[in-house]
Amino acid sequence: SQKIEQNSEALNIQEGKTATLTCNYTNYSPAYLQWYRQDPGRGPVFLLLIRENEKEKRKERLKVTFDTTLKQSLFHITASQPADSATYLCALGGYSSASKIIFGSGTRLSIRP
Amino acid sequence: DTAVSQTPKYLVTQMGNDKSIKCEQNLGHDTMYWYKQDSKKFLKIMFSYNNKELIINETVPNRFSPKSPDKAHLNLHINSLELGDSAVYFCASSQDGARSYGYTFGSGTRLTVV
Repeated sequence: SQKIEQNSEALNIQEGKTATLTCNYTNYSPAYLQWYRQDPGRGPVFLLLIRENEKEKRKERLKVTFDTTLKQSLFHITASQPADSATYLCALGGYSSASKIIFGSGTRLSIRP
Repeated sequence: DTAVSQTPKYLVTQMGNDKSIKCEQNLGHDTMYWYKQDSKKFLKIMFSYNNKELIINETVPNRFSPKSPDKAHLNLHINSLELGDSAVYFCASSQDGARSYGYTFGSGTRLTVV
């Protein structure tokens, strides 16, 4: 069955460092991969989308890579700040607009001052 | 203006009761969804509607019934509530099946069945 793993349940790093989160998947050939941020008591907020034919995407301090051979995406936050502390979810989607998007369980990121 | 709003935010009810959660989006999106987030934080899709037509209907008990009166609204009715239904339920919307810009989620409804 399709499976997404975010292999760190929690990640704790020092302010100013680069945070790197990992998303691995099996038994799936996604058309695209998305990353979301979720704060406690709130719904997920869409951050970035990267397509299967793209290697890398950037948005301000965020960078996402997508390796369809390794079946892995890396999500980087450079110059991390305490305000970046949240749970980050990856999600995979298929080619059809009727395809469901499958979410990972998230990595809880804590940035300490 | 809230893009995707769902009510109520909290719902505490007894086993066996029937309850509804309402969702509205003002983004003009063509597709709406219901997701369930369990205690382990997994988000699992339950239903999806595109322009009032049901397009995704995951394996959920038929005690759960979605209703979309128009493309801006998707409500979720739950009959005969059980303890295992306790979770956070999220409504979301998207354009183009979220293949370009992702989902816009509501803030969630925390359902507690006692």
